[in-house]
Amino acid sequence: RKEVEQDPGPFNVPEGATVAFNCTYSNSASQSFFWYRQDCRKEPKLLMSVYSSGNEDGRFTAQLNRASQYISLLIRDSKLSDSATYLCVVNRAIGGGADGLTFGKGTHLIIQP
Amino acid sequence: DGGITQSPKYLFRKEGQNVTLSCEQNLNHDAMYWYRQDPGQGLRLIYYSQIVNDFQKGDIAEGYSVSREKKESFPLTVTSAQKNPTAFYLCASSISFYESYTFGSGTRLTVV
Repeated sequence: RKEVEQDPGPFNVPEGATVAFNCTYSNSASQSFFWYRQDCRKEPKLLMSVYSSGNEDGRFTAQLNRASQYISLLIRDSKLSDSATYLCVVNRAIGGGADGLTFGKGTHLIIQP
Repeated sequence: DGGITQSPKYLFRKEGQNVTLSCEQNLNHDAMYWYRQDPGQGLRLIYYSQIVNDFQKGDIAEGYSVSREKKESFPLTVTSAQKNPTAFYLCASSISFYESYTFGSGTRLTVV
């Protein structure tokens, strides 16, 4: 099983719709979870951290399910500017080879007018 | 403003040449990282450094070298031993391994 798995998409969604995507991770000892956004030919930028209790930032909601080892991202009232690739990020537990964060390959989202 | 700066933005390398990519941060972060991203692919870790004068190999270190002589700087050298160096190179830094990373704007390296 890959460390972090995401559906690559693309997800084609009409403007104003709600879209959700999940990410699964393999290491049950992971403690840090994030969603990053990457625009075409740009660097990834932190969208939000994901906490055990779930968290919301405006139109964006992130959830963590430790029992099933997945995190989710929900985008409400989607905007054209939300079109990007969304990267799921999980920390490697200590002793799991190279240390630090592991990045999923991303889910490509296209918001259509 | 604090941030992380990569230079150059675009770099062209001839076969058999070594090239060095610059990465400087003024965020006072202890940890720094180098990633490689190929078209349509995820980020792959090349090297990382937790503190000055210490660094570790990542998942794809062959053909690359780094140094960490100052906290602010973590240059990456792409050597002639790297057989397929054309890629987008991203440098990042963080307060610790388990905190979120801040990325530089990247260097696009092309072999000509």
